[in-house]
Amino acid sequence: NAGVTQTPKFRVLKTGQSMTLLCAQDMNHEYMYWYRQDPGMGLRLIHYSVGEGTTAKGEVPDGYNVSRLKKQNFLLGLESAAPSQTSVYFCASRIDSHQPQHFGDGTRLSIL
Amino acid sequence: AQSVTQLGSHVSVSEGALVLLRCNYSSSVPPYLFWYVQYPNQGLQLLLKYTSAATLVKGINGFEAEFKKSETSFHLTKPSAHMSDAAEYFCAVTSQGFQKLVFGTGTRLLVSP
Repeated sequence: NAGVTQTPKFRVLKTGQSMTLLCAQDMNHEYMYWYRQDPGMGLRLIHYSVGEGTTAKGEVPDGYNVSRLKKQNFLLGLESAAPSQTSVYFCASRIDSHQPQHFGDGTRLSIL
Repeated sequence: AQSVTQLGSHVSVSEGALVLLRCNYSSSVPPYLFWYVQYPNQGLQLLLKYTSAATLVKGINGFEAEFKKSETSFHLTKPSAHMSDAAEYFCAVTSQGFQKLVFGTGTRLLVSP
């Protein structure tokens, strides 16, 4: 049972480039989340989804877009990467609103 | 709005000593509370959760936490620290409406021999 899988694990981009981070879960979870983690700031929610076809903004959504076309996948896009988006990105999922979140191992993204 | 405050960005203990990591929350509804642990270069793993049942919650690796409504606290403890406990610990509370979790800024636990 793979749980929550994030691809890629590492990536280096140049300013202005675009990319998509993929999160896949095999637990049939309804809720999915994208966070970024920066030193001293904990985890900040970027976007989340409460079910297939739904998305909602979190705490720091600017510069990011998401899609949840399939229940098991949650994609995070950066249309025009900026150095301020250098961070570690975590995806999480949970089966319903009263259960804990399960996290992936993260994507380390550097933007030069 | 719900919020979490973790006192102390770093806590240092000796191996075998008591571990106490502090978490205070603010919530306008009865909260669900969680403690997560993060080892270097890994994602977050659930240590324990409080969901309005017993106020003393036991988790994995010998950790436990006590929900105290009067103090709006959910401190994490372990009687005897082990070197393998060195990690970052996050407290989280469910948002109003339960759709999201609100995380604290984390406490890094350092364990010395």
